[in-house]
Amino acid sequence: DQQVKQNSPSLSVQEGRISILNCDYTNSMFDYFLWYKKYPAEGPTFLISISSIKDKNEDGRFTVFLNKSAKHLSLHIVPSQPGDSAVYFCAASAGVGSQGNLIFGKGTKLSVKP
Amino acid sequence: KAGVTQTPRYLIKTRGQQVTLSCSPISGHRSVSWYQQTPGQGLQFLFEYFSETQRNKGNFPGRFSGRQFSNSRSEMNVSTLELGDSALYLCASSSRQGGETQYFGPGTRLLVL
Repeated sequence: DQQVKQNSPSLSVQEGRISILNCDYTNSMFDYFLWYKKYPAEGPTFLISISSIKDKNEDGRFTVFLNKSAKHLSLHIVPSQPGDSAVYFCAASAGVGSQGNLIFGKGTKLSVKP
Repeated sequence: KAGVTQTPRYLIKTRGQQVTLSCSPISGHRSVSWYQQTPGQGLQFLFEYFSETQRNKGNFPGRFSGRQFSNSRSEMNVSTLELGDSALYLCASSSRQGGETQYFGPGTRLLVL
């Protein structure tokens, strides 16, 4: 049973527009969420994270929103650039200090067209 | 600061053989986690080591094992390789155990023939 779900396998956006990537989770024990970006044949690169005590975190063009009641988070990229084209993974963990494993979604492939 | 390094980057083995992969974490990081990425299952957690002790283990058979050395470097071993073990094996490090941002290495691509 998937605890972290990214229901859109792919997303295509025009350069300069907003990209919105979505992620749903089922485990209410998750208290820390992360987004990673991955190019083929490379390891995931950390983008941005959010703790469950917050509902928004911003870092440059990247903003993550967390809706705990809906068990939903989203990553907004504004403005989108062709270099943002990659697979984006949502990940979650439960209990800082108690578990060293991240639960990943299956990823969303973002294509930003010039 | 150097990132997480993994060796080798690519490996071809045959069924029944065993393989050892190596990971050097970011300097100062003491926690190392291993993940397997396959097209069908995505990224799945294998195990985490902290202070030379396995702290957490994913749902993988006993053929998958690991260890961590006093300098925080880690190795994972897969014995009696099966075709389904073909995957990208990723190592990630963090400064302390559990629930914190993990930084990934480039991975080792293992092909089992």
